[in-house]
Amino acid sequence: QKEVEQNSGPLSVPEGAIASLNCTYSDRGSQSFFWYRQYSGKSPELIMSIYSNGDKEDGRFTAQLNKASQYVSLLIRDSQPSDSATYLCAVNTLANTGNQFYFGTGTSLTVIP
Amino acid sequence: EPEVTQTPSHQVTQMGQEVILRCVPISNHLYFYWYRQILGQKVEFLVSFYNNEISEKSEIFDDQFSVERPDGSNFTLKIRSTKLEDSAMYFCASTPDKAYQPQHFGDGTRLSIL
Repeated sequence: QKEVEQNSGPLSVPEGAIASLNCTYSDRGSQSFFWYRQYSGKSPELIMSIYSNGDKEDGRFTAQLNKASQYVSLLIRDSQPSDSATYLCAVNTLANTGNQFYFGTGTSLTVIP
Repeated sequence: EPEVTQTPSHQVTQMGQEVILRCVPISNHLYFYWYRQILGQKVEFLVSFYNNEISEKSEIFDDQFSVERPDGSNFTLKIRSTKLEDSAMYFCASTPDKAYQPQHFGDGTRLSIL
């Protein structure tokens, strides 16, 4: 059973602070990693994708991947109230002829004005 | 920007009835997916579809479920003999290609079984 684990939170940070979200995965064959943001009642929205070890920055967001530790994280700098949402970690494993995404349960983030 | 569209946005059905959820993937995408999210729970993979056939399916995707691409644009999920526990958000997604690509999600269909 392939698992993706996230701390469900809730995580609360003050506006302007750094929010740190973490994710671990069990399948060493996982090859690509994604962070999605999901507002209540809405569909997942892609924030970041990362494929190789190290950091990847996009605006206020930085994704970090460590395949040896099977760990991926998301940092949100200068957090804004509009960042309040559930953040989903998704891991892609090539399987047979298609691919499957495995999602974590998500971390609920609240940014306090 | 191209997007995945799903209809209806909300479907209410009596238990035991059949329901068809519809999706129009992004036009140049080749892989299509259905996911389910029960309220308060995680997004769960149901099935992937490529070249007019199922590529992968999860344990959830049993004989009650079927998928079809009846024409060049629509991708449907049929649920036969619906049960109360089928109540969930159903998301369709698509990717240009299978490897490494992030999936683009539709807005979802909220299915309520009474």
